[in-house]
Amino acid sequence: DQQVKQNSPSLSVQEGRISILNCDYTNSMFDYFLWYKKYPAEGPTFLISISSIKDKNEDGRFTVFLNKSAKHLSLHIVPSQPGDSAVYFCAAPIQGAQKLVFGQGTRLTINP
Amino acid sequence: DAGVIQSPRHEVTEMGQEVTLRCKPISGHNSLFWYRQTMMRGLELLIYFNNNVPIDDSGMPEDRFSAKMPNASFSTLKIQPSEPRDSAVYFCASSLRGGGGEKLFFGSGTQLSVL
Repeated sequence: DQQVKQNSPSLSVQEGRISILNCDYTNSMFDYFLWYKKYPAEGPTFLISISSIKDKNEDGRFTVFLNKSAKHLSLHIVPSQPGDSAVYFCAAPIQGAQKLVFGQGTRLTINP
Repeated sequence: DAGVIQSPRHEVTEMGQEVTLRCKPISGHNSLFWYRQTMMRGLELLIYFNNNVPIDDSGMPEDRFSAKMPNASFSTLKIQPSEPRDSAVYFCASSLRGGGGEKLFFGSGTQLSVL
């Protein structure tokens, strides 16, 4: 049962443009969402998070939007840079449990 | 801070052999997680510990898998006997308090290949 889904396995964006990565979830009880970024041969690293009581959180070039009615969140990167090329995972903690469930990941490639 | 340290980085073994993966969490962190990444299932949680005590091992796929945390600075994940379908990248992560909403800090992973 995939509670967090990333339906796009890959995305290619031109440098300087906006990258939009999407994530859908099925569990309406999730109260927190996180995005992780992963480079090859490295572990995932935390990027940005959002509480379910908010609909937007911004950190520099990265903004996460949450649409609870649609059970959908998105990560916007603007402007996109070559160093942003990585796999991005969305994740959410199972309520009452100290564990994260992850989406399948989206591989973002920024083209010069 | 050295971060979460995992060893070995790569492990190639033959089916039926015992495999032991090791992890040193970040000093001061009291929660430790073992994740596995595969193409089919993505990142899935195998087991996690709080204060060296296993809390939830529901993600451990079979009895062939076992994990221990004898002290706050060391954990092992053992597969005995190993099978080709165990081939994956295994990540260890640690956090303060727990992964629910808090950030997990991941190691670089162990790439396991079972032939």
